[in-house]
Amino acid sequence: EVRLVESGGGLIQPGGSLRLSCAASGFTVTSNYMSWVRQAPGKGLEWVSVIYSGGSTYYADSVKGRFTISRDTSKNTLYLQMNSLRAEDTAVYYCARLETKRTGFDPWGLGTLVTVSS
Amino acid sequence: QTVVTQEPSFSVSPGGTVTLTCGLSSGSVSTTYYPSWYQQTPGQAPRTLIYSTNTRSSGVPDRFSGSILGNKAALTITGAQADDDSDYYCVLYMGGGSWVFGGGTKLTVL
Repeated sequence: EVRLVESGGGLIQPGGSLRLSCAASGFTVTSNYMSWVRQAPGKGLEWVSVIYSGGSTYYADSVKGRFTISRDTSKNTLYLQMNSLRAEDTAVYYCARLETKRTGFDPWGLGTLVTVSS
Repeated sequence: QTVVTQEPSFSVSPGGTVTLTCGLSSGSVSTTYYPSWYQQTPGQAPRTLIYSTNTRSSGVPDRFSGSILGNKAALTITGAQADDDSDYYCVLYMGGGSWVFGGGTKLTVL
């Protein structure tokens, strides 16, 4: 079964750092495009970042320079390192597989909530 | 900054047909944007319905279909059911490793 499980969310003060993890099973992270998508409370979905199978990484303007996407082949896990966090980064963060740019985001994990507040 | 537009809300009667659209603030949506569609109910993760304009994801009933209508991507639900009452999001590939989601459409079935 293809499955994604996020972890690492929590309450963090503005300016702080947090690392999210997304453990994959049923497929190989490095053979696919992998992405992070977030959803602020009561708001819509926002694409955050992608890492291509070849290792290239891309970011939404809203997080560029503050967030870093990466993966660990041995753990078959995707990560999102989030630095200089702001109140507006408060959201449920989902990881999702892309396979390629054509195939859409599927599957999705259940998400992990990040709350940035003092 | 390109904005992906969706109707904020729509309503449909049970058994009816509804078409939701996904456009661009500037320009036309084509298949090269690889539009995909997602259904989300409150508190749940999104569920993939359609990808690459018109390909149904595994397990999605054939009453969901995708297309390009005029200058927009479209999601048509034929024979709406009560459990189609959800939020629907489209996303477009903008090139250069960038995707943009629409603001979502809240569909009410009543």
